[in-house]
Amino acid sequence: ETGVTQSPTHLIKTRGQQVTLRCSSQSGHNTVSWYQQALGQGPQFIFQYYREEENGRGNFPPRFSGLQFPNYSSELNVNALELDDSALYLCASSLMDNEYEQYFGPGTRLTVT
Amino acid sequence: AQSVTQPDIHITVSEGASLELRCNYSYGATPYLFWYVQSPGQGLQLLLKYFSGDTLVQGIKGFEAEFKRSQSSFNLRKPSVHWSDAAEYFCAVGDAGGTSYGKLTFGQGTILTVHP
Repeated sequence: ETGVTQSPTHLIKTRGQQVTLRCSSQSGHNTVSWYQQALGQGPQFIFQYYREEENGRGNFPPRFSGLQFPNYSSELNVNALELDDSALYLCASSLMDNEYEQYFGPGTRLTVT
Repeated sequence: AQSVTQPDIHITVSEGASLELRCNYSYGATPYLFWYVQSPGQGLQLLLKYFSGDTLVQGIKGFEAEFKRSQSSFNLRKPSVHWSDAAEYFCAVGDAGGTSYGKLTFGQGTILTVHP
């Protein structure tokens, strides 16, 4: 069974730029959730995708957007990067009929300068 | 809105000692409850979960947790800690009412240090 994978591992961007982070779901999982974890904090829910559509969203502005592909992999896009976007971005996969039992990838560490 | 409080930011125990990490939640009904562990530079690993039924749940790595509705708590326990248990532990709540699909709300985390 393949676990959740994310790429890249680390990324450095400049304020105002755009970034795309990628996630491959655990084998057999059809739902993907994204979280932002700032240093010293617990993860914060950004959104969840199922059947290529946003299924639920946390308190994040529209410049945070996502995609889910037919193979259930996913992208997180962040436009107009701000310094406060520096964080560990975690992807989690699950099954839609059990969407709260989520399995996390190792994360992408984004630094905005 | 649901919330999770982990009162202890940092806990230190000796190897072989027992462990209890506290978690309190605020939610209008019985939520789904989870404990995750995060090692430095790693993602979150699911230790155990509670959806319904028996209030004492067993997880991986010898951990267990007990749901106490009257205290709105879901404390994590381990009878004998190993040095490899040193990590950060997160309690999380899911909306069992289904109004926030897939959203887990996490506590601030508790860092566990294990002395030899």
